[in-house]
Amino acid sequence: DSGVTQTPKHLITATGQRVTLRCSPRSGDLSVYWYQQSLDQGLQFLIQYYNGEERAKGNILERFSAQQFPDLHSELNLSSLELGDSALYFCASSVGDGGGALGANVLTFGAGSRLTVL
Amino acid sequence: GEDVEQSLFLSVREGDSSVINCTYTDSSSTYLYWYKQEPGAGLQLLTYIFSNMDMKQDQRLTVLLNKKDKHLSLRIADTQTGDSAIYFCAESVNTGGFKTIFGAGTRLFVKA
Repeated sequence: DSGVTQTPKHLITATGQRVTLRCSPRSGDLSVYWYQQSLDQGLQFLIQYYNGEERAKGNILERFSAQQFPDLHSELNLSSLELGDSALYFCASSVGDGGGALGANVLTFGAGSRLTVL
Repeated sequence: GEDVEQSLFLSVREGDSSVINCTYTDSSSTYLYWYKQEPGAGLQLLTYIFSNMDMKQDQRLTVLLNKKDKHLSLRIADTQTGDSAIYFCAESVNTGGFKTIFGAGTRLFVKA
């Protein structure tokens, strides 16, 4: 157990629907990151939050949004789902903001949420 | 730009050494990382190297960094069947916010 908890583990839904993925970071970590892993795209960085604020943005679609709450858990919302959104969505957490002030920025990953869009 | 490239597959025999290679593009990366993903699991950090180092050794793992060529490699000595997994190279880049960018991953097959 890495200490990063993701729910649900599996989710099957239909095109056009909306889902919410949830992540609880490891105790003491202030940053949460979301990544999408698919067979053809590899591991794509979506977005990072640090202590409730958006800190870095990657290839996140406009149909997707995320937030980090005061208790530091995070949610990734995926709407108007398409077949191509089927993937493993990973959450990771780290102590710092990724800027290197604390040395190496080691990410601790959750086990992932597997989304299947039919 | 931000790009990390790795070969997709590597097959070795048990007991041999495995060498997984990676090239990256951001010369300002301070740290470079190797992560391992076992089937059905998330990624786990294996090791990392600071950019002013050429080499780092940790038990069976040796990381070599050629900063001039932006080339990183991971050598696993005495490869075991339990080492079969996907290995990801990663770098931290600063593009208006620090992001950790991963390569596509190298799938290592270890034959008994």
